[in-house]
Amino acid sequence: SQQGEEDPQALSIQEGENATMNCSYKTSINNLQWYRQNSGRGLVHLILIRSNEREKHSGRLRVTLDTSKKSSSLLITASRAADTASYFCATDANAGNMLTFGGGTRLMVKP
Amino acid sequence: NAGVTQTPKFQVLKTGQSMTLQCAQDMNHEYMSWYRQDPGMGLRLIHYSVGAGITDQGEVPNGYNVSRSTTEDFPLRLLSAAPSQTSVYFCASRRQGDNSPLHFGNGTRLTVT
Repeated sequence: SQQGEEDPQALSIQEGENATMNCSYKTSINNLQWYRQNSGRGLVHLILIRSNEREKHSGRLRVTLDTSKKSSSLLITASRAADTASYFCATDANAGNMLTFGGGTRLMVKP
Repeated sequence: NAGVTQTPKFQVLKTGQSMTLQCAQDMNHEYMSWYRQDPGMGLRLIHYSVGAGITDQGEVPNGYNVSRSTTEDFPLRLLSAAPSQTSVYFCASRRQGDNSPLHFGNGTRLTVT
C-alpha cells in the first residue's frame, strides 16, 4: 500500500511560474523526502525534511511539512523547462529501511 | 564514482523463464534495495539489505529472491517469470542511518510475455 499520495497527478505550467505539489501520508514518520525522475531515468534525491522541521529551502525548492495534517508540499519557484519531470514524495517510518513512495506528480513546464 | 549500476537495461523473458537483475554500487553503502515501478503506482519495495549477509522482505517480495554476499552487489532473481512481473526495476543504495538519501540506478525495463 502507498504511504504517500501526491496531488495533483499532473501539472502543466508556463516557464517562470511557480509549481506546487502536495503529498499526504498515513502514519507517523521519521522524515519525508522528495525525489525527481526524468523520463527513462532513476530517481534523484532533492530534499529531506525531518519530522521536527516545518520548512526547508534548497535553491528554488521550498518544502513544508505539517505533521498534524500528515501532509507536505514542494514548491518550485521560477520554473524552467528543465524542471519537467515526475516528482515523488517518500516517507521513512521504519528507521529508513522501508522508504515508501507515492504515485508521483508529472510536471510539465512549457517554454 | 559510477554510483549505482544496473544491468541489463532492457530484458524480454518468456513466462516461466528465470533471470537475475544485477546491481552494483561503488559508494560503500551498507543499505541496498530493489523497487519496481508500475504506471500510476509509484515505486514499491521488493527486498532490501542493511549489510552483507542480511536481507529482508519489502512490500511485494513474492516471486523474487535476493542475496547479499558482498557490500557492493545486490542481485535480484526472478525464479519463474510471470507477465505480472513486467515492470521497471530500480536498485537503490544509501549509507545506513537516519536521514540518508537513496541513490538510484537507471533501471532495468523487463517485459514478460
